[in-house]
Amino acid sequence: SQQGEEDPQALSIQEGENATMNCSYKTSINNLQWYRQNSGRGLVHLILIRSNEREKHSGRLRVTLDTSKKSSSLLITASRAADTASYFCATSGGSNYKLTFGKGTLLTVNP
Amino acid sequence: SQTIHQWPATLVQPVGSPLSLECTVEGTSNPNLYWYRQAAGRGLQLLFYSVGIGQISSEVPQNLSASRPQDRQFILSSKKLLLSDSSFYLCAWSVQNTGELFFGEGSRLTVL
Repeated sequence: SQQGEEDPQALSIQEGENATMNCSYKTSINNLQWYRQNSGRGLVHLILIRSNEREKHSGRLRVTLDTSKKSSSLLITASRAADTASYFCATSGGSNYKLTFGKGTLLTVNP
Repeated sequence: SQTIHQWPATLVQPVGSPLSLECTVEGTSNPNLYWYRQAAGRGLQLLFYSVGIGQISSEVPQNLSASRPQDRQFILSSKKLLLSDSSFYLCAWSVQNTGELFFGEGSRLTVL
């Protein structure tokens, strides 16, 4: 299985601080994606990084990918209370038909 | 723009009753369609995916089934619900071969 595993399972920070979440996976991938889920809602796609990319930015988000270590990190800078949500990494391997999701990191940003 | 509709949002059903969850996508054609299940505090488990009308692939053997009667319609069904079917079900779509998923708002199923 190439399921991603996020670390930590839960993270609590103060508004304005940076939040870093990590994801590890087991087999080779085509791309790795990060999603956000507010409680009781559907997932929202945040960013996709391809296997030949090492870093990608989108607004306050920064994603890195280290294929030699089979790991990725998601950095949210200058966090806001509205960033409180669960964050999932998902990997796509031999086929882009299927994504395999990790169990997520629950981020709480305290005002 | 593309939109995805999933209903019902909440459902309480007795054990042994049938189930039908529906999902439709607007604004695109020939999407890949997916049904995921998410247990409380857990990640997503892929149940079914479809790359075209009448083409359904099952990832997890269980008492659930899926159908795609139209290009942009995906239905999750069961003839007889079990207590263990209680979960949060999510429909999603993607453009063929891009990998990025767009999710519906989910259906919370409670089986009593």
